Amino acid sequence: EAQVTQNPRYLITVTGKKLTVTCSQNMNHEYMSWYRQDPGLGLRQIYYSMNVEVTDKGDVPEGYKVSRKEKRNFPLILESPSPNQTSLYFCASSLSGTGSGPSYGYTFGSGTRLTVV
Amino acid sequence: KQEVTQIPAALSVPEGENLVLNCSFTDSAIYNLQWFRQDPGKGLTSLLLIQSSQREQTSGRLNASLDKSSGRSTLYIAASQPGDSATYLCAVYLSNNDMRFGAGTRLTVKP
Repeated sequence: EAQVTQNPRYLITVTGKKLTVTCSQNMNHEYMSWYRQDPGLGLRQIYYSMNVEVTDKGDVPEGYKVSRKEKRNFPLILESPSPNQTSLYFCASSLSGTGSGPSYGYTFGSGTRLTVV
Repeated sequence: KQEVTQIPAALSVPEGENLVLNCSFTDSAIYNLQWFRQDPGKGLTSLLLIQSSQREQTSGRLNASLDKSSGRSTLYIAASQPGDSATYLCAVYLSNNDMRFGAGTRLTVKP
């Protein structure tokens, strides 16, 4: 089944403790992206990647890091999480894309609900 | 900067009604527009993708239209069912490679 898999689904952590949210897609998509979703603010892009070793900042990159060493994986790293990073996070992929958006339709993961206390 | 607005923010209808969800955008230079469905606590499911050269797309009971000149898209749902209850989001991909999401319309279909 074609899908984007995120792990974990739920995570509660403490301020300052480094964490990684994994994202993997099995569709051989070139374009991958991370979003956070907050009430009243909608979806905001954190980082995106147009291909292996090609990443760039979205609208709200502060406090986050990403890497794209393999085509299928695009982990999101929070080096020192803070309470304002409490949010619902989504990974998405598309066959290809340029800039901050996909050229084809997006496939989204199921989301990771992160709480930082 | 592109603004994407979805009105209303919430909508409640009885089962069986036909309904229209609206999405407006300020910059008409779009590459494509996509409608998504989001169930509570879950990810987004793509419903329909309309390329800038298209006027509408249909999938089952769903029909999405696009009018670039007026900066509007509508999602028409025919014969609504309780299982259609969800939040519906539209997203526009601009020709300057920027993508923007609306805040969504929360739909409740009552049995």
